[in-house]
Amino acid sequence: DVKVTQSSRYLVKRTGEKVFLECVQDMDHENMFWYRQDPGLGLRLIYFSYDVKMKEKGDIPEGYSVSREKKERFSLILESASTNQTSMYLCASSTPLGTSGLNEQFFGPGTRLTVL
Amino acid sequence: SQQGEEDPQALSIQEGENATMNCSYKTSINNLQWYRQNSGRGLVHLILIRSNEREKHSGRLRVTLDTSKKSSSLLITASRAADTASYFCATKGGGNKLTFGTGTQLKVEL
Repeated sequence: DVKVTQSSRYLVKRTGEKVFLECVQDMDHENMFWYRQDPGLGLRLIYFSYDVKMKEKGDIPEGYSVSREKKERFSLILESASTNQTSMYLCASSTPLGTSGLNEQFFGPGTRLTVL
Repeated sequence: SQQGEEDPQALSIQEGENATMNCSYKTSINNLQWYRQNSGRGLVHLILIRSNEREKHSGRLRVTLDTSKKSSSLLITASRAADTASYFCATKGGGNKLTFGTGTQLKVEL
């Protein structure tokens, strides 16, 4: 079974802190994604990566950066956490674009981040 | 705005009944996917339907796709309490990414 793990289920940080969210997948997937999920807004893509050291901005990249030094690991960084970044953060991975479009994504359990 | 939008936002049914939720999207697609999310957890892929398919089945799930109307429906037959979850449709948005709707919250009561 595909397994996507995230470093923490719950995290509480202070405003201004630098926050690292880690995601690891064990299926050798090329694509990895970071989303945030807020009530009434659904999932919004922050960043994604389709290869080591490659990254692309999603719909809401402001205030975030990412790092992908190894294929299995994709990190989301909040350079200076703010209260409006309190959210559920979901990591996902998938195989590359197939002939029928994007393939299914496998999600981690999520990290609920609270910024005080 | 979201590429995929689910309807209704919330649905409450009795165990054993069928649950139908709909998804509308705006642009042309290669495929459409449905996911389930149990409370406070990550999403789980349920089913993928390609743009040249009209209907697909997987166990108690039936998905239809009408590309002329840019809509899809997910039917869960003989629902169970364990089906209580949020359901999302997802389509390929601009570039190599999926765009998710805001979801339908399904509650199945005993």
